[in-house]
Amino acid sequence: SQTIHQWPATLVQPVGSPLSLECTVEGTSNPNLYWYRQAAGRGLQLLFYSVGIGQISSEVPQNLSASRPQDRQFILSSKKLLLSDSGFYLCAWYRGDYTIYFGEGSWLTVV
Amino acid sequence: SQQGEEDPQALSIQEGENATMNCSYKTSINNLQWYRQNSGRGLVHLILIRSNEREKHSGRLRVTLDTSKKSSSLLITASRAADTASYFCAIASGGSYIPTFGRGTSLIVHP
Repeated sequence: SQTIHQWPATLVQPVGSPLSLECTVEGTSNPNLYWYRQAAGRGLQLLFYSVGIGQISSEVPQNLSASRPQDRQFILSSKKLLLSDSGFYLCAWYRGDYTIYFGEGSWLTVV
Repeated sequence: SQQGEEDPQALSIQEGENATMNCSYKTSINNLQWYRQNSGRGLVHLILIRSNEREKHSGRLRVTLDTSKKSSSLLITASRAADTASYFCAIASGGSYIPTFGRGTSLIVHP
């Protein structure tokens, strides 16, 4: 069966520090992968999606970047965090028929 | 891409009662999905209804779609305390298979 892992689950980082959130998928090959952000009390905002190794599409301009170094690995990064980067980050993969399967999320607090 | 709007934003009911939440949208869709999110967790896919369908059931869940009114409803019958969560509608429209999520309805079921 397919599983999706995200880590770390919780992160507290100072303003100006770097960020790396990792996501890996098991049990599937060449998945379409996504990073979403959920700010408090708001819906999900699609940040990046990737259809293959090295292929990244950005949905919104921001302080974040994404990379896909391996088929089943998707990384969300920042060189210098801002307070506004705080939120709940969700990695997800497209499992077909318009359905998205989500990881458990990573809480980021920028202080 | 369009975003659905859930209504109400928050719903508080007693165990055993039915819970109804609605999602409205603006332009034609390919399909509409409902997801559930327990506090601090990832989203879980509940049900997908296609634009040519009017009603679908899954256990205690009933989803309706009225394309003439551009709205969908999610009914949870005989609610349980474990149904406490946020519920999101997600819309796929146009040529995109990536659904766009609304802001969600927060449901609290009191035991």
